[in-house]
Amino acid sequence: KAGVTQTPRYLIKTRGQQVTLSCSPISGHRSVSWYQQTPGQGLQFLFEYFSETQRNKGNFPGRFSGRQFSNSRSEMNVSTLELGDSALYLCASSIGQGGNSPLHFGNGTRLTVT
Amino acid sequence: EDQVTQSPEALRLQEGESSSLNCSYTVSGLRGLFWYRQDPGKGPEFLFTLYSAGEEKEKERLKATLTKKESFLHITAPKPEDSATYLCAVGDNQGGKLIFGQGTELSVKP
Repeated sequence: KAGVTQTPRYLIKTRGQQVTLSCSPISGHRSVSWYQQTPGQGLQFLFEYFSETQRNKGNFPGRFSGRQFSNSRSEMNVSTLELGDSALYLCASSIGQGGNSPLHFGNGTRLTVT
Repeated sequence: EDQVTQSPEALRLQEGESSSLNCSYTVSGLRGLFWYRQDPGKGPEFLFTLYSAGEEKEKERLKATLTKKESFLHITAPKPEDSATYLCAVGDNQGGKLIFGQGTELSVKP
């Protein structure tokens, strides 16, 4: 069974640009969550989607947004990039809701903002 | 405020030297406690879920236990391939998200 797939693996962007990251969940998983990982803050929750609806959102500015498609694939978008947005962005899928079902993570997209 | 604290931050062991990692948590209504392993350049890999105090789970050289305030990940006779960062996370009663600790970086030398 294929795992969670994230594309691209690496991105380099300039301040002020926008970026879109893509995630394909494990087949049969309807919940997709996004996390930001940095050395200083660790893993921080961005948002969770289930059946194309955002069910929960973390404490990130409105520049961070996401969506989920009918096939459960998800994208997240960051507009007006800042240097502090440099991080590893991780997507995870689960069968049930993220808080009480195990999350299965992809290997992330490493975003560098210059 | 929901919080997860892991200790120690880093742990160096000799191959075969057993030890334990600690995860202390405060959460308003625990829905699950999760242990993950993360290797450099990769996403976290799921290890265990614990749901209630007294519960234990085992996998090869790893054993996870849960009390009302903390969880332990016991590593018995570790091997160099057990070297990784071990992350603990809790799901709260708001649902939908996990709160992660900062992790314990484990290094096992042959």
